[in-house]
Amino acid sequence: KQEVTQIPAALSVPEGENLVLNCSFTDSAIYNLQWFRQDPGKGLTSLLLIQSSQREQTSGRLNASLDKSSGRSTLYIAASQPGDSATYLCAVRVPDSNYQLIWGAGTKLIIKP
Amino acid sequence: GAGVSQSPSNKVTEKGKDVELRCDPISGHTALYWYRQRLGQGLEFLIYFQGNSAPDKSGLPSDRFSAERTGESVSTLTIQRTQQEDSAVYLCASSLTWGGMGNEQFFGPGTRLTVL
Repeated sequence: KQEVTQIPAALSVPEGENLVLNCSFTDSAIYNLQWFRQDPGKGLTSLLLIQSSQREQTSGRLNASLDKSSGRSTLYIAASQPGDSATYLCAVRVPDSNYQLIWGAGTKLIIKP
Repeated sequence: GAGVSQSPSNKVTEKGKDVELRCDPISGHTALYWYRQRLGQGLEFLIYFQGNSAPDKSGLPSDRFSAERTGESVSTLTIQRTQQEDSAVYLCASSLTWGGMGNEQFFGPGTRLTVL
């Protein structure tokens, strides 16, 4: 059974720092992995989607990597800003279901001005 | 609107009452999903609709939970005889179609349900 873990559960860093959020999954057989951002009262916003055949995806200050063999993904945020404060969730799509996503519990990120 | 919308945004109810949550997917999206997110936890899949096919109800936690969708439009999630453990944020998502390696789900803002 696929399980997704995100560590740490919470992270607080000063503005301007580069940081890495971690996501691990127990079964390397995945279709893709997505990183989402969750803001209170605003639902989830998809940040990056990495196909199983890809190693990384970039969007602006965000870079997500995927290492299927080790069951790990990282989300790198460069030059962090207070507006980056949110909960970051990762989710994997698994082959035994074409639509279900298996979710981590998220990392709550606080960027201090 | 361009995104998925949900109503109400917040719902407070008493134990034992029924509640109905609404989701309006993105126009043209044939697939619709309901998830539940308890405090500090990841999302739990509840139910999935794809066009006119029979829905996948495998994630519904009990027979108190039910959902309907008319064609490819609005969906309602109904919780009967609410219990305190039903307190959570209920999220709806839609996607252009089902399956496929790259298909993305787009989420609504959620309904925060509190059962007293």
